[in-house]
Amino acid sequence: KAGVTQTPRYLIKTRGQQVTLSCSPISGHRSVSWYQQTPGQGLQFLFEYFSETQRNKGNFPGRFSGRQFSNSRSEMNVSTLELGDSALYLCASSPEDTRGYEQYFGPGTRLTVT
Amino acid sequence: DAKTTQPPSMDCAEGRAANLPCNHSTISGNEYVYWYRQIHSQGPQYIIHGLKNNETNEMASLIITEDRKSSTLILPHATLRDTAVYYCIVRPRIYNQGGKLIFGQGTELSVKP
Repeated sequence: KAGVTQTPRYLIKTRGQQVTLSCSPISGHRSVSWYQQTPGQGLQFLFEYFSETQRNKGNFPGRFSGRQFSNSRSEMNVSTLELGDSALYLCASSPEDTRGYEQYFGPGTRLTVT
Repeated sequence: DAKTTQPPSMDCAEGRAANLPCNHSTISGNEYVYWYRQIHSQGPQYIIHGLKNNETNEMASLIITEDRKSSTLILPHATLRDTAVYYCIVRPRIYNQGGKLIFGQGTELSVKP
């Protein structure tokens, strides 16, 4: 079975721009979660989607948003980029019968904001 | 959610067992212990989880004390590829509540030749 895929793998944006990251979960997985990883804050939960609905949300500003499509693929968007948004963004998918905590992570998208 | 405490770093000789401790003294009765690891520049990898019984899979063993206040992840024959940051997470498993993993700082395990 193919793993979680994320595109693009690397991205460079300028402060003030917006960015969209994409995640394709493992086939059959309906839950998709997003995390941000920075050297200073570590791994932080952004949000989780299940059946096209946001089910959990972390403590991030409204500039961070996401959505999930009917095929379970997910996108996250960051508007008005700030230098502090430079991070590794990780997507994880989970089969529903594991109640969400056996999550399978993708390789991440490394975003650099200049 | 219960808070976990892990040593920031540990060393282990290649071929020996790596025993990674985790303290979760405030764990509740419905909370499971999960272990993940993150090899440098990769996404975290699920390893194992347990409630109160010891668990074993192809990657590792999880030993949970009888009072459930601490646990140990055991990699029976560590290899250089096991060098990673290991995270211990405590969470309840509630149907339809989804996954929100709260990662701490973890233990950086260095396996040395």
